Amino acid sequence: AQTVTQSQPEMSVQEAETVTLSCTYDTSESDYYLFWYKQPPSRQMILVIRQEAYKQQNATENRFSVNFQKAAKSFSLKISDSQLGDAAMYFCAYRSRGNKLVFGAGTILRVKS
Amino acid sequence: NAGVMQNPRHLVRRRGQEARLRCSPMKGHSHVYWYRQLPEEGLKFMVYLQKENIIDESGMPKERFSAEFPKEGPSILRIQQVVRGDSAAYFCASSPPSTGLNTEAFFGQGTRLTVV
Repeated sequence: AQTVTQSQPEMSVQEAETVTLSCTYDTSESDYYLFWYKQPPSRQMILVIRQEAYKQQNATENRFSVNFQKAAKSFSLKISDSQLGDAAMYFCAYRSRGNKLVFGAGTILRVKS
Repeated sequence: NAGVMQNPRHLVRRRGQEARLRCSPMKGHSHVYWYRQLPEEGLKFMVYLQKENIIDESGMPKERFSAEFPKEGPSILRIQQVVRGDSAAYFCASSPPSTGLNTEAFFGQGTRLTVV
């Protein structure tokens, strides 16, 4: 079975600085996608960024980028120029055949002004 | 185009009662997924449905829980004889018919079930 592990229950970052959230996963499949979701206090799940497993180039969305290391099964999220609005719970997720998303336990990100 | 609509947002039930959670997918979406989020935890997959079919129910508890997605109307997650351990946030997500691995699943805002 696929598993997703987020080893950092909580992280803090100073406004305007950079923070990296870690995620590792376990799978025997070769074709899959990885996602980072943000869950603010409103509980709405918001897709931040996605990465295709067969693409070596790391995905980037504005201030958000990933470091995808397929051999190491690692998928970290880097947030640059952190803003107060980035404070939320962040979930790493995996999706393969069968379509369901498998989520990690989440990392609470606190942004200090 | 309205997003995924879940209702109610909050639901309080006494132990032993039934809980019915509704999810209206985005327009044009025919795939629905239900997830449960316990306090301080990530979302756990429960069930994946297409119109009138259950595709994957590997995450559903064997007893008391059922789900449907009829040809007309919303998807329903039904919990019979609720217990305190059922208290959680229940999320619904939907995706379009041409679902591939990269297709974004859009989430509703969840229903917070409290069993007293």
